[in-house]
Amino acid sequence: IAGITQAPTSQILAAGRRMTLRCTQDMRHNAMYWYRQDLGLGLRLIHYSNTAGTTGKGEVPDGYSVSRANTDDFPLTLASAVPSQTSVYFCASSVTPASGSGINEQFFGPGTRLTVL
Amino acid sequence: DQQVKQNSPSLSVQEGRISILNCDYTNSMFDYFLWYKKYPAEGPTFLISISSIKDKNEDGRFTVFLNKSAKHLSLHIVPSQPGDSAVYFCAQITGGGNKLTFGTGTQLKVEL
Repeated sequence: IAGITQAPTSQILAAGRRMTLRCTQDMRHNAMYWYRQDLGLGLRLIHYSNTAGTTGKGEVPDGYSVSRANTDDFPLTLASAVPSQTSVYFCASSVTPASGSGINEQFFGPGTRLTVL
Repeated sequence: DQQVKQNSPSLSVQEGRISILNCDYTNSMFDYFLWYKKYPAEGPTFLISISSIKDKNEDGRFTVFLNKSAKHLSLHIVPSQPGDSAVYFCAQITGGGNKLTFGTGTQLKVEL
């Protein structure tokens, strides 16, 4: 593994079904993020985790949950999928900067294309 | 309401000419900006960044300009190459822990 991997690459899902999108990074980054990309809306943050054991809500968290049991993995779960969750989902990671000390870029995975029918 | 705006959804430029991609923001509390480039079926990749202590940052063919009074930044690519054809997103740090707010993206097409 090099960088960030996401699985599956794509998925078609019936509405009401449960789905977990997987994300794994091998860079030992503290922070991880989930975004969705929709046409005309750019990338919007769903949930994030600054370090293992902690998570936070982003801009569009409703209908999604995350967990961060360890540094490397950050799965995103749709408990009961709805058609409006049809999107491309990107996982990202970064080194968490110390407070007030500038910024660190986020590295993105290749994405998961999810279609909810 | 969109905090980070890219008002041009698309831009077409001839190879060798300059590409200028624009981005406006509303929240001046956070003063670090990044540009990402995205090819189809791939994740975004980091291109260049700028903080408010500078008004310009240059990296090879890519230069980002920041105008804080106008709350505007721009990415200049010169000379443009066909391989630059991609969607470009500007993003602003909008919270602790590296949280980013992205613009809607501009599709750049560099024509031969």
